[in-house]
Amino acid sequence: NAGVTQTPKFRILKIGQSMTLQCAQDMNHNYMYWYRQDPGMGLKLIYYSVGAGITDKGEVPNGYNVSRSTTEDFPLRLELAAPSQTSVYFCASSYGGQSYSNQPQHFGDGTRLSIL
Amino acid sequence: QQQVKQSPQSLIVQKGGISIINCAYENTAFDYFPWYQQFPGKGPALLIAIRPDVSEKKEGRFTISFNKSAKQFSLHIMDSQPGDSATYFCAASMTGGFKTIFGAGTRLFVKA
Repeated sequence: NAGVTQTPKFRILKIGQSMTLQCAQDMNHNYMYWYRQDPGMGLKLIYYSVGAGITDKGEVPNGYNVSRSTTEDFPLRLELAAPSQTSVYFCASSYGGQSYSNQPQHFGDGTRLSIL
Repeated sequence: QQQVKQSPQSLIVQKGGISIINCAYENTAFDYFPWYQQFPGKGPALLIAIRPDVSEKKEGRFTISFNKSAKQFSLHIMDSQPGDSATYFCAASMTGGFKTIFGAGTRLFVKA
């Protein structure tokens, strides 16, 4: 059981380049999330999804886009990369919805992204 | 009202000592309070969680104390070990809500 898988683990981008961070989960979770974690800081929510075809903005969505075409996958797209987007990006998933009492989030091991 | 305030920012404890991390919240609709543990180079992982119908939950050396009237909860790590050195996040969420609100994190270092 792989849980939440993020690829790549590391990446260096030049300013203005674009890339997609991949996230896949095999737990049939309906909720998925993207966070960024800056050094010594907490987790900031970028985007989240409550099911295939449904996404919404978190605290810091500017400069990012997401899509959710399947239950398993939730890619994060960076367009026109900027130095301020240098961070560690975590994807997470959980069960969610009115039929569930609160459930914990399961995190991937992150993508470390540097923009130079 | 959606914030979860966590303290201290960092903590150094001697091996065998007790580590205590505190969190406070405002939104009384929160009904699930997990703690996550994060080791360097890894994602956060659920450590222990509590719901507001109990005042304490213990799992091994880890205990959550919950004070509903004060809207505060804390993590106690008994007999702290060097292997407990990590960043700890408290969090809160509500049934039917879409998001989990995380505290800013506490970096714990246990000296051998």
